[in-house]
Amino acid sequence: SQTIHQWPATLVQPVGSPLSLECTVEGTSNPNLYWYRQAAGRGLQLLFYSVGIGQISSEVPQNLSASRPQDRQFILSSKKLLLSDSGFYLCAWSVQGRGHTIYFGEGSWLTVV
Amino acid sequence: AQRVTQPEKLLSVFKGAPVELKCNYSYSGSPELFWYVQYSRQRLQLLLRHISRESIKGFTADLNKGETSFHLKKPFAQEEDSAMYYCALRGFQKLVFGTGTRLLVSP
Repeated sequence: SQTIHQWPATLVQPVGSPLSLECTVEGTSNPNLYWYRQAAGRGLQLLFYSVGIGQISSEVPQNLSASRPQDRQFILSSKKLLLSDSGFYLCAWSVQGRGHTIYFGEGSWLTVV
Repeated sequence: AQRVTQPEKLLSVFKGAPVELKCNYSYSGSPELFWYVQYSRQRLQLLLRHISRESIKGFTADLNKGETSFHLKKPFAQEEDSAMYYCALRGFQKLVFGTGTRLLVSP
């Protein structure tokens, strides 16, 4: 069966420090991969999605970036965190094509202090 | 552009009362609509999707293309239905969510 894991689960980082959140999917190949941010009052905001290795689409301009170095690995990064980057980040995956469910990871709480 | 609107941030009802969580969408193509639910301390999970035309945990949702709506309904709410509900629209590749509605069911 397919599984998705993301880490770390919680992270407290000072302003200006770098960020790396990692997500891996097991049990499938060539998935669509997504990064969302869940913020109070703003729902789930799509940040990035990827349909293949090295293919990243950015939805919201900001100081975050994403990379897909391997088929089932999706990384969310920042060179210098801002206070406004605090939030709950969710990785998700789906089988490519229409009609497929999207499955979410456990989420990562990021607090920038 | 894909857009999902959930006008209610909070919906509070009593146990046994009917529930309708509203969702409207904007999309020029043929949409796929979903409802996701997040119970306390659990990960976000799929509740139902319009192509399945199924009833899950007593909830149903009908896609109304004329009104561009996909409202979630349940005739008799239960306390365990209390959760955060997100309507989502899938276009070509990406899944876009609304801002969510928190449903509180009181005894």
